[in-house]
Amino acid sequence: GQQLNQSPQSMFIQEGEDVSMNCTSSSIFNTWLWYKQDPGEGPVLLIALYKAGELTSNGRLTAQFGITRKDSFLNISASIPSDVGIYFCAGHTGGGNKLTFGTGTQLKVEL
Amino acid sequence: NAGVTQTPKFRVLKTGQSMTLLCAQDMNHEYMYWYRQDPGMGLRLIHYSVGEGTTAKGEVPDGYNVSRLKKQNFLLGLESAAPSQTSVYFCAARGASTDTQYFGPGTRLTVL
Repeated sequence: GQQLNQSPQSMFIQEGEDVSMNCTSSSIFNTWLWYKQDPGEGPVLLIALYKAGELTSNGRLTAQFGITRKDSFLNISASIPSDVGIYFCAGHTGGGNKLTFGTGTQLKVEL
Repeated sequence: NAGVTQTPKFRVLKTGQSMTLLCAQDMNHEYMYWYRQDPGMGLRLIHYSVGEGTTAKGEVPDGYNVSRLKKQNFLLGLESAAPSQTSVYFCAARGASTDTQYFGPGTRLTVL
């Protein structure tokens, strides 16, 4: 099946630092979604992107839908301890019923 | 508005036992999904449903069965549990006009 390569696999950063992670695909997607999963919880939607080149913000989070439609990026500015968790990208090809998920980026924030 | 709920939250089974996981949604969404999450492997789709009375196989359907007799419920069954089915199981739902899936809190299953 389709594969989404998400990087980095994990990050250990200082509080206040900015964070960047990305997701790349071998296939074109029509929608990119970014989810965050807290320990012991289900994934929660952060940002949804629907057009190539689209840049969307949600508070300190900013995500971009790559021009090639094969990648997406998530940035977190001025990280805080509650940003800890696993961040997943997911893509939808359009016309299908399923999302393809990345393997996740685990973020740890050091005080 | 509870969104997507899952029962039970935790369960321990012995090899060969059977069980059913229940997912319920109060958003009147058409589509429902069952995933399993294993360390380092992200979310893998087991089965999904595009509407009441319909089901379809996902990426890893073997050893699982599902039913969608009512629109708001999606059941995942394990007929004969195996240790390889130890995992965290997530249910999700989405409306017909969006790609966004909304997830339940998960069920942690251990098969001994």
